[in-house]
Amino acid sequence: AQSVTQLGSHVSVSEGALVLLRCNYSSSVPPYLFWYVQYPNQGLQLLLKYTTGATLVKGINGFEAEFKKSETSFHLTKPSAHMSDAAEYFCAVSGGTSYGKLTFGQGTILTVHP
Amino acid sequence: DGGITQSPKYLFRKEGQNVTLSCEQNLNHDAMYWYRQDPGQGLRLIYYSQIVNDFQKGDIAEGYSVSREKKESFPLTVTSAQKNPTAFYLCASMASGVAGELFFGEGSRLTVL
Repeated sequence: AQSVTQLGSHVSVSEGALVLLRCNYSSSVPPYLFWYVQYPNQGLQLLLKYTTGATLVKGINGFEAEFKKSETSFHLTKPSAHMSDAAEYFCAVSGGTSYGKLTFGQGTILTVHP
Repeated sequence: DGGITQSPKYLFRKEGQNVTLSCEQNLNHDAMYWYRQDPGQGLRLIYYSQIVNDFQKGDIAEGYSVSREKKESFPLTVTSAQKNPTAFYLCASMASGVAGELFFGEGSRLTVL
């Protein structure tokens, strides 16, 4: 079984500040890990993913995440927030024989203040 | 442009009525998925299909039904047995061999009055 916990349902930052969204996972097999972004009343869009190889992965819009096996974490960061980053962010995990089935976290709403 | 089309975008129904949500994709993807989204609960998997004429229950399949007669289409029926059907429904697809890269439609918001 797999699970994802996103720490903090709401995160608020100032424009230009560091963005840090936290994600911890549980998986009995080597995980595939993902971050998706959702703008209001829209579907989700893939930001980045980790499957194998380099543990620091870069995604679209300047976001990156680091897979830390020892901490079972996959936190999402961006050095400088932009107003357009305001959205809801979802961490997800899959793996093993169920690689086609993603388990999503509860989501974190990011607010960016001017 | 390739993508996933969900319809209708908004739907209102009375209690006890079955409703069918449409999902069509022209990405030539083998796998298709239905998720339900409720505030603060993330996305929960209702049904998925990895090949035509075959589908599996997800985590919250009770009160829902699906069919997969064509590769491009994966409609979801919300039956009267679903106790709390008001929600945002998302359809997604995935290409074979591209683990986890789901492509989503824009969703259908169902409100039961």
